[in-house]
Amino acid sequence: KNEVEQSPQNLTAQEGEFITINCSYSVGISALHWLQQHPGGGIVSLFMLSSGKKKHGRLIATINIQEKHSSLHITASHPRDSAVYICAVKTFNKFYFGSGTKLNVKP
Amino acid sequence: NAGVTQTPKFQVLKTGQSMTLQCAQDMNHNSMYWYRQDPGMGLRLIYYSASEGTTDKGEVPNGYNVSRLNKREFSLRLESAAPSQTSVYFCASSEDGVGGYTFGSGTRLTVV
Repeated sequence: KNEVEQSPQNLTAQEGEFITINCSYSVGISALHWLQQHPGGGIVSLFMLSSGKKKHGRLIATINIQEKHSSLHITASHPRDSAVYICAVKTFNKFYFGSGTKLNVKP
Repeated sequence: NAGVTQTPKFQVLKTGQSMTLQCAQDMNHNSMYWYRQDPGMGLRLIYYSASEGTTDKGEVPNGYNVSRLNKREFSLRLESAAPSQTSVYFCASSEDGVGGYTFGSGTRLTVV
């Protein structure tokens, strides 16, 4: 049983497209994180959300606590956005990770 | 440079050998974590430390021990390495309730 489910698992897009990655979770959470893992392996924290919406550059993250769902949007996608995007949720004392969405943006 | 520093970046061990992975953060974060990442699988928590002097088991603690030496440092020890411990290990820290994670660059460990 996976506490965090991401979709899609793999996503190929053309440069400039609008991209949405979805995350659903089944546990009560105190926060949700979106992480980006580059092809070289490094992991970067993009957002931490507990409600509403956050925006940073071309990235937008939303969360609906009642529906236990979050989305990560990328506007005007670029090949440098190619990476694995990971959703992680924090409960009182545990973290659960999705298996990631592998995004490939073609020029 | 502020962040999380992990050493070593690469290591090859023989079955039965021991080693310690080092992790240090300079952001004054309370919480530190050790994860492993295996091909096709998500990150899995091995151990975490919510504050200096405390450690707790995560999802996959068997075969590992940890030490929160002080607020900055959190080490992971393999006492008797097994091929099943071949993985990429990530250390991370966070200031709970305030910000997100900061990850180290990872240690690629191969046990032969």
